[in-house]
Amino acid sequence: KQEVTQIPAALSVPEGENLVLNCSFTDSAIYNLQWFRQDPGKGLTSLLLIQSSQREQTSGRLNASLDKSSGRSTLYIAASQPGDSATYLCAVRPIKNYGQNFVFGPGTRLSVLP
Amino acid sequence: EAQVTQNPRYLITVTGKKLTVTCSQNMNHEYMSWYRQDPGLGLRQIYYSMNVEVTDKGDVPEGYKVSRKEKRNFPLILESPSPNQTSLYFCASSSLLGLGNTIYFGEGSWLTVV
Repeated sequence: KQEVTQIPAALSVPEGENLVLNCSFTDSAIYNLQWFRQDPGKGLTSLLLIQSSQREQTSGRLNASLDKSSGRSTLYIAASQPGDSATYLCAVRPIKNYGQNFVFGPGTRLSVLP
Repeated sequence: EAQVTQNPRYLITVTGKKLTVTCSQNMNHEYMSWYRQDPGLGLRQIYYSMNVEVTDKGDVPEGYKVSRKEKRNFPLILESPSPNQTSLYFCASSSLLGLGNTIYFGEGSWLTVV
C-alpha cells in the first residue's frame, strides 16, 4: 500500500529565509504528485501539480521537484513571508488503485516569524 | 468558478441523531471522495466514488454511508453519530479523464457530536 511521509512535521523560520519541505512516498508507480496548502480550519488549496514525467514545477516563489525513482519530492519556498505560514501537504496519485485515488502525507506545519 | 460546496460548515449534534453532510461539485467530475482530518492522524479517506452509482470504502468507513445518485452530489450520511466521529470533514472531487488532473476540496465541515 502506498504511504506518504513528510519531514519535518513542523518548521519555524524567520521571515526572508529560503526553505525546503520534504515528501517521500513508498511506491514510485504514480501518475502525479501534488502539493497543497491548508490554513487552520480551512480547506486545501492546490499549489503545484507535477506529472510523473516531469522533474519540477514552478509558481512564483514556489518550486516543487520530483524524483520518482527515489520516491521523493521537495517544495522550495524562496524569501519566505509571514503569509506563508500554514500546513503544507503533499499527495500522490498511485497507478495501482489500492482503494485510494490520492494518498496524502501528514503535512508540515510552517511558521514564518516577522 | 470551479467549486466543491459542503453544507453545513459547522454542526453540533447529539449522539444517535442521524445527520447528512451534503457535497456538490460544478465541474462534472467523475471522482468524488470524503475525508476526515484529525490532529496527528492527517487526512483519512472515508468513502469514494468513481462515478454515478459506484462507491467504495476508504480507510475509515465504519459509521458512515454515502450515495451517488447524481454526478454532482455525494452526500455523507451518519446514521447514528457517536462522539468519536467529531472531526473536520472534507469533500473532494477530480476528473478521471487525463489522470494528471488536480483534486479540488471543499471548505470543510466541522462536526461535533456530544
